[in-house]
Amino acid sequence: AQSVSQHNHHVILSEAASLELGCNYSYGGTVNLFWYVQYPGQHLQLLLKYFSGDPLVKGIKGFEAEFIKSKFSFNLRKPSVQWSDTAEYFCAVNPGTGNQFYFGTGTSLTVIP
Amino acid sequence: GAVVSQHPSRVICKSGTSVKIECRSLDFQATTMFWYRQFPKQSLMLMATSNEGSKATYEQGVEKDKFLINHASLTLSTLTVTSAHPEDSSFYICSASVEGLGYEQYFGPGTRLTVT
Repeated sequence: AQSVSQHNHHVILSEAASLELGCNYSYGGTVNLFWYVQYPGQHLQLLLKYFSGDPLVKGIKGFEAEFIKSKFSFNLRKPSVQWSDTAEYFCAVNPGTGNQFYFGTGTSLTVIP
Repeated sequence: GAVVSQHPSRVICKSGTSVKIECRSLDFQATTMFWYRQFPKQSLMLMATSNEGSKATYEQGVEKDKFLINHASLTLSTLTVTSAHPEDSSFYICSASVEGLGYEQYFGPGTRLTVT
């Protein structure tokens, strides 16, 4: 079955540590890729997106992600996390055959001050 | 811009009753709206896609007679959970997208449904 996988379910980091969250998908063909963040008690917000072009995309709040087509991956990175980055992070894929999104299982990030 | 609201934010209903959840795009016209369900500590599961003025398209395994979706205007979609049961208790989230602005979706804050 086609799917979106996030391998890290719960990540705990100290402030200033570097972050990398994995996202892999199994959809073939052209895909559009997204990372969303959900802060406690808030709704989903877009961090960044990839449609085409430069596979390294930069988003808000210092986040970036790299699309590696050969690995079907779209990993999220941040060089130095802050306490305020504590949130749930979701990878989403639009397979390109319609406008539906399919989400990964999410990664809960806790940043310790 | 691109704000999506949901009402109510929380609802408690008795088993067997129906409950309606509204999703509105406040500052834009949404050609497509989506309904998701999120279980605790789990991801968002797409339930259905609705386009204004046409029938919703349901994902496999989602009962269309149980989860009625109406998308009567470009700013409003409703999800009605009919004959609710405790297993329908969940967090329901809607999103909206605009044709021509790529595939980005704008999410509402969600509605917590508890069926007793």
